[in-house]
Amino acid sequence: QKEVEQDPGPLSVPEGAIVSLNCTYSNSAFQYFMWYRQYSRKGPELLMYTYSSGNKEDGRFTAQVDKSSKYISLFIRDSQPSDSATYLCAMSVQAAGNKLTFGGGTRVLVKP
Amino acid sequence: DVKVTQSSRYLVKRTGEKVFLECVQDMDHENMFWYRQDPGLGLRLIYFSYDVKMKEKGDIPEGYSVSREKKERFSLILESASTNQTSMYLCAILDGYNEQFFGPGTRLTVL
Repeated sequence: QKEVEQDPGPLSVPEGAIVSLNCTYSNSAFQYFMWYRQYSRKGPELLMYTYSSGNKEDGRFTAQVDKSSKYISLFIRDSQPSDSATYLCAMSVQAAGNKLTFGGGTRVLVKP
Repeated sequence: DVKVTQSSRYLVKRTGEKVFLECVQDMDHENMFWYRQDPGLGLRLIYFSYDVKMKEKGDIPEGYSVSREKKERFSLILESASTNQTSMYLCAILDGYNEQFFGPGTRLTVL
């Protein structure tokens, strides 16, 4: 069993819909949680990161962490075709960004 | 802005060849990482380095080695390339805010 599980998709939504992405994990020592966006033929770019449980909002993006359930989510409101990409969750035990464990990524397609 | 460059976007090599992948950063960051990315498996850490001449194995170091002779350059070496090393290779640096910035990746095909 992989340490971090993520549905590969693809997830297809109409423009303007809410995109809901999630990851589950097995290592209860993870404390830092990140979401990366990766466009085709590009490297991943950091979208959001959170520490421990709770919610964080940044514009159209909301990240949620539920450590008791070992479950994290990313919501994208008012989705745009430019949001079409692969979204990767990542986690670490120590300070954010160091020795990350990634999920497999979910491909999202927002149709105009 | 942080800039991470990788020597090649696409590379085709033959089984048994020695392959060098290079990563260069334009800032003075200490931590650099090499990952490989395969469909459905996400990114898996091969090696990382926290200073010149310092390196540590990641989760899948077998068949790879690294070199960091200068702070700005981190090289990944495939001693004898095999077909199962066909993959996307991504280099990353850790900035002062503990965020990892990635290069554009090198898609390596081993025939």
